Amino acid sequence: DVKVTQSSRYLVKRTGEKVFLECVQDMDHENMFWYRQDPGLGLRLIYFSYDVKMKEKGDIPEGYSVSREKKERFSLILESASTNQTSMYLCASRAYGDYEQYFGPGTRLTVT
Amino acid sequence: GQQLNQSPQSMFIQEGEDVSMNCTSSSIFNTWLWYKQDPGEGPVLLIALYKAGELTSNGRLTAQFGITRKDSFLNISASIPSDVGIYFCAGLATSGTYKYIFGTGTRLKVLA
Repeated sequence: DVKVTQSSRYLVKRTGEKVFLECVQDMDHENMFWYRQDPGLGLRLIYFSYDVKMKEKGDIPEGYSVSREKKERFSLILESASTNQTSMYLCASRAYGDYEQYFGPGTRLTVT
Repeated sequence: GQQLNQSPQSMFIQEGEDVSMNCTSSSIFNTWLWYKQDPGEGPVLLIALYKAGELTSNGRLTAQFGITRKDSFLNISASIPSDVGIYFCAGLATSGTYKYIFGTGTRLKVLA
């Protein structure tokens, strides 16, 4: 079974803080994704990484950056958290050439 | 961003009943995925479809890739209380892309 884990299930941060969300997958997948999920807006892609040190901006990259130094780990960084970044953050992975995307349990981030 | 239309938006059913839901798009897809998401959790992949007309089962779940390639259907037979959750579809328009389009979700509530 594919396993995608996220470092925190719930996180509360203050406005202006730098926030790190970590995601690890154990299936040697090349591709990894970061989404945010908001009511009425569905899932929106923030960043995609197709391999180590490789990344592509998604639909809403503003205010976020990512890091992929190792194949199994994909980090999402909020440089200076703002209240409009309060959301559910979901990490996902898939194998290169495959289209089945597997999600982690999510991190519910609240920025106050 | 673009979202796929799912119908119905929500439904209450009695335990033991069969359930049908669908997902429609204005454009053609090459891959359809169906997920279930419990409150506060990440989506879990249920079924993947790759070919127009394909019918695939996973236990009591059966999904179909529409002939027009613009829709997909999910059926749940003999529903049980743990089927409660949000079901959503995801489509991939081009084989090499990483941009999934997600459905708006169908919220299922099962009355025991």
